[in-house]
Amino acid sequence: KQEVTQIPAALSVPEGENLVLNCSFTDSAIYNLQWFRQDPGKGLTSLLLIQSSQREQTSGRLNASLDKSSGRSTLYIAASQPGDSATYLCAVDDNYGQNFVFGPGTRLSVLP
Amino acid sequence: EAQVTQNPRYLITVTGKKLTVTCSQNMNHEYMSWYRQDPGLGLRQIYYSMNVEVTDKGDVPEGYKVSRKEKRNFPLILESPSPNQTSLYFCGGYEQYFGPGTRLTVT
Repeated sequence: KQEVTQIPAALSVPEGENLVLNCSFTDSAIYNLQWFRQDPGKGLTSLLLIQSSQREQTSGRLNASLDKSSGRSTLYIAASQPGDSATYLCAVDDNYGQNFVFGPGTRLSVLP
Repeated sequence: EAQVTQNPRYLITVTGKKLTVTCSQNMNHEYMSWYRQDPGLGLRQIYYSMNVEVTDKGDVPEGYKVSRKEKRNFPLILESPSPNQTSLYFCGGYEQYFGPGTRLTVT
């Protein structure tokens, strides 16, 4: 059964730092991988979706990479801002859009 | 605008009182799903539907029912809610499309 882990569980950094969030999954036979942002008590905002055939995706200050063979993905956030403070969830789709397995999330605090 | 809507957004109810949380999508997606999110347990899939009249259990289906009579709607039904169903519920379409969430409290 697919399992997704995320490291670190929480992270607090000063504004302006570049940072990396890590996601690992146990079964490399995935269809795609997504990174979501969730503000406290709020919904899920999709940040980046990487298809299994892709190595990375970029959107603004965010860059996500995927290494299927090693079961890893990283989310790189450049020049962090207080508005980036949220929980970041990694989700693996291993059934053609039928079942996302979510990681526990990384809670990020960017201090002004 | 592509979207998934859920209603109600917040609900407080009592044990045993049947309730329905509605979910609707305007993207003509065949696939829809329900997840619950709990502290320390993350998001877990309750039920999913591949198309009209086709539904299947996810990881935590006990205590829930769903129906898919038309493509755009996928309601979640709690026939006899219990306090352990207090949670934040998300409805999803295909890939990155999720509803805003429904916070349910069962007392």
